[in-house]
Amino acid sequence: EAQVTQNPRYLITVTGKKLTVTCSQNMNHEYMSWYRQDPGLGLRQIYYSMNVEVTDKGDVPEGYKVSRKEKRNFPLILESPSPNQTSLYFCASSLSLGFELFFGSGTQLSVL
Amino acid sequence: GDSVTQMEGPVTLSEEAFLTINCTYTATGYPSLFWYVQYPGEGLQLLLKATKADDKGSNKGFEATYRKETTSFHLEKGSVQVSDSAVYFCALSSSNTGNQFYFGTGTSLTVIP
Repeated sequence: EAQVTQNPRYLITVTGKKLTVTCSQNMNHEYMSWYRQDPGLGLRQIYYSMNVEVTDKGDVPEGYKVSRKEKRNFPLILESPSPNQTSLYFCASSLSLGFELFFGSGTQLSVL
Repeated sequence: GDSVTQMEGPVTLSEEAFLTINCTYTATGYPSLFWYVQYPGEGLQLLLKATKADDKGSNKGFEATYRKETTSFHLEKGSVQVSDSAVYFCALSSSNTGNQFYFGTGTSLTVIP
């Protein structure tokens, strides 16, 4: 089954404790991206990647890192999480820009 | 920069009512336009799309027409069902935007029997 898999689904952590949210897609998609969803703000893009080893900042990249060492994986790294990063995070992939985005089920992160 | 503005919610309708959710966009060039739907506890999934002016996207009884002259992509459905209750997002993508997708803030729809 074609899908984007995110883990974990829920995560509670404390300020400053490094964490990684994994994202993997099995559709051989070139394009992958990360979004955060906050009430009243919709989805905002954090980082995106057009291909392996190519990543670019979205609209809200501060406090986040990503890497694209393999085509299928695009982990999101929070080196030193802060409470303002409490949010619902989505990973998504598509064949290329302009094509349908496929979303993961989301990761609800709470930073205390 | 490029952006999407969509109708504020929440919207509450009775079953079989007509639905319109407004979406307008600002973009340079010729973006692709999308409507995504998010059911409770799930990720977003594509509802319909249009890639050029005057294209009409349609799916599950929903329709939207790409209007370049009014920079709009309004979502419509003639007769909503309880199962249509969800949050709807308008979005655009364009290589002119630096290879990004831009989403509206979402419109929550509740359909009551």
